[in-house]
Amino acid sequence: GAGVSQSPSNKVTEKGKDVELRCDPISGHTALYWYRQSLGQGLEFLIYFQGNSAPDKSGLPSDRFSAERTGGSVSTLTIQRTQQEDSAVYLCASSLTGYTIYFGEGSWLTVV
Amino acid sequence: AQSVSQHNHHVILSEAASLELGCNYSYGGTVNLFWYVQYPGQHLQLLLKYFSGDPLVKGIKGFEAEFIKSKFSFNLRKPSVQWSDTAEYFCAVVLNTDKLIFGTGTRLQVFP
Repeated sequence: GAGVSQSPSNKVTEKGKDVELRCDPISGHTALYWYRQSLGQGLEFLIYFQGNSAPDKSGLPSDRFSAERTGGSVSTLTIQRTQQEDSAVYLCASSLTGYTIYFGEGSWLTVV
Repeated sequence: AQSVSQHNHHVILSEAASLELGCNYSYGGTVNLFWYVQYPGQHLQLLLKYFSGDPLVKGIKGFEAEFIKSKFSFNLRKPSVQWSDTAEYFCAVVLNTDKLIFGTGTRLQVFP
């Protein structure tokens, strides 16, 4: 596709379950970013990738959160043992180095 | 530490009023600068960007922003706002390490 694609678009999960969120960046984009946006809050940086490596993981809120990127393309954000405070929109974005950053439409996660 | 500050958290205007939203960043190296907008219930969209050249950049929907390097600022302006400009506005900075940092956002409400 032409844009950044995220799946699932909506996910409701029970507290304590693991979830995986997927991001398909724009083809050829080297940089990939994960953010989250809680209700009424701003954008919280989680992690970004340059190729397959993650130079900055400082935004991951706890060790329950992990992310990987393979083949310089698709990235997966995994949240283990989800908690209610994990409920948020998880946004993925990608760019070519030094160029405009494009956002996906987000994955809405609700932990009940 | 690198950061982006948006001093106005919530702005309320009447239609036809002029708008200026502040954005300051703290980073000594080369940056690319962006303003994104998020309309209610929608995903982030790019308003305008600055990479180099003329520090006054024009974006969509009549928005413009001026990069003032000496002040580390990239303020967003619009001469006459409309009700449809009601949204959240995010300033963002990409460092020369490719890290993307967002400000906390400014919620703009425009009343008819």
